[in-house]
Amino acid sequence: GESVGLHLPTLSVQEGDNSIINCAYSNSASDYFIWYKQESGKGPQFIIDIRSNMDKRQGQRVTVLLNKTVKHLSLQIAATQPGDSAVYFCAENRLSSNSGYALNFGKGTSLLVTP
Amino acid sequence: DSGVTQTPKHLITATGQRVTLRCSPRSGDLSVYWYQQSLDQGLQFLIQYYNGEERAKGNILERFSAQQFPDLHSELNLSSLELGDSALYFCASGGVGGDYGYTFGSGTRLTVV
Repeated sequence: GESVGLHLPTLSVQEGDNSIINCAYSNSASDYFIWYKQESGKGPQFIIDIRSNMDKRQGQRVTVLLNKTVKHLSLQIAATQPGDSAVYFCAENRLSSNSGYALNFGKGTSLLVTP
Repeated sequence: DSGVTQTPKHLITATGQRVTLRCSPRSGDLSVYWYQQSLDQGLQFLIQYYNGEERAKGNILERFSAQQFPDLHSELNLSSLELGDSALYFCASGGVGGDYGYTFGSGTRLTVV
């Protein structure tokens, strides 16, 4: 079935390096995507979003890229810091089973920042 | 503090029992979403309520039910609990359909023994 998936389950980067977390989606009708960060023991926290009419969106130290041709989404974190260590989820807004829209989450990528 | 309040934070119960999880949405939000997160799964959407009415339904078991009250708080009822129901249950609040994202609570960790 249609789903949102993540390419890598874990990613280890050195402090100060840039991180790239990838996500593939299969529902070409999806028009809104979000990246969430989840730290241990906490709920997911909104990082950045992008609509399908955009290719790129920048926040503070984070950039989301959307390639609709290959249905690919990526999150770039600049100058990764130890506090960035967490699980990152991409999510797409799509129609649920009976009606109405809800966010469908991928399984997550664990980012580990080493000193 | 995200503004979304979930209680209790931890819950341990036996198989076959019934529990109720509670969520108070962020001030001004009319929608409440419930998600289940287990060790081997990502966040699985269960159900959404908007201003007291069910709006969207995901992979929610028949043993589970939810409701949203006039004051907009929501409850998720889990009955005939099984070991496999052990998970983190998150509530999120926001607008309709996920636009502008959701704000998540800190979750309720349910352990069924």
